[in-house]
Parts: sequence; structure tokens; C-alpha cells
Amino acid sequence: DVKVTQSSRYLVKRTGEKVFLECVQDMDHENMFWYRQDPGLGLRLIYFSYDVKMKEKGDIPEGYSVSREKKERFSLILESASTNQTSMYLCASRGDSGNTIYFGEGSWLTVV
Amino acid sequence: AQRVTQPEKLLSVFKGAPVELKCNYSYSGSPELFWYVQYSRQRLQLLLRHISRESIKGFTADLNKGETSFHLKKPFAQEEDSAMYYCALSGTHSGYALNFGKGTSLLVTP
Repeated sequence: DVKVTQSSRYLVKRTGEKVFLECVQDMDHENMFWYRQDPGLGLRLIYFSYDVKMKEKGDIPEGYSVSREKKERFSLILESASTNQTSMYLCASRGDSGNTIYFGEGSWLTVV
Repeated sequence: AQRVTQPEKLLSVFKGAPVELKCNYSYSGSPELFWYVQYSRQRLQLLLRHISRESIKGFTADLNKGETSFHLKKPFAQEEDSAMYYCALSGTHSGYALNFGKGTSLLVTP
């Protein structure tokens, strides 16, 4: 089974703090993604990466950055957390030859 | 631009009744269409993709290019089908990323 693991399931951070959300996949997938999931808005793409050290902006990149130093790991960074970034964050991965995107369990982030 | 529309936020049906969750899309090329499901407190998981033309858990979906639709159907709903359902499209936008609809919450009552 493909495993996409998000190390932090629940976080509470203060406004202005720097936040790191880590994601690791074990299937040697080239492509990795970060989404945020909000009620009534569905899933929106924040950033994606198609190779090590490569990154592309998704639909809502403002306030976020990412890092992909190793193929299996894709980190989402909130440089200065704000309350409107309170959300569920989902990491996903997909191989170049595969159609299926696999998701992690999600990280619930609350910014107070 | 590619867009996925799920017109119903909430769909409530009785157990044993037929279910149809609607999905319409806009895309200029040949899209890949998917249905994902999220049960309570579980991760998002793939239910169906149009390429495979499978039936999973009794659900089917047919891609209708003329109507640009990919509706999800099941003839007899079960209580365990209660979940959030997302229609998604993969095209050339954002590499291999999926573009999701806003989701439909399906509630099956006894």
C-alpha cells in the first residue's frame, strides 16, 4: 500500500509563528502536492512539486512556501501564521505513470 | 480554464433509495475524471476513475463528454455510504494535480 504520512495531525499555533508541516511518501513518487480543505470550499491546491528542488504555485499560494530537498519529503511552511490559515492541510503524491493521487490523513492546524 | 462543479452541498436519501451525485466540468482537452470519498475521520480515498470504468461499492460513473458530466450513481444506498464525496479533474493545469469540486455530503438515513 502507498503510504503518505503527515507527521503532525493536530497543531495549535499563535499568530505570527512559523509553522512547518511535514509530509513523507514511500512510493518513490515524483509528484507531491499540498492542499487545504475547508468546509464549503472543497480542496484547493497550494503548491506542488514534480521533482526534487522543483516547486510550482497552485491556486492559493499566498502566505505559504514549500521545500523539497529529498524526493520522499515535501514540507509546507507558513512563514507567519495568521488566523485565516486555520484549516485542514492535506498532502498527496502521485507517480508519473500512475493516475491515482494518494492522500495523507491530514494535519489540522488552528492559529489563535 | 478547468472547473469542477458539484451543485449539491448536501444530499439526503433513505436507505435503499437510488443515489445520484452530480458533477459537471469544464475543460478544453481530454480530462481524467475521478470521484474521491472521505468517510468520517478517515483520509480521502479514491472511489472511481473514468478510465477504469469500474464499479466500486456499487457505485458507477459514466463520463458524458457531450454534457461534460461525470455523475456518480448507486441504485440502492446504504447507511455506510454516508460520507463526503468529491469529484475531481486532472488535466494539464498544475502538472498532475487534481482540481476538486466543493464536495457533496451524502447522508443516508434508515
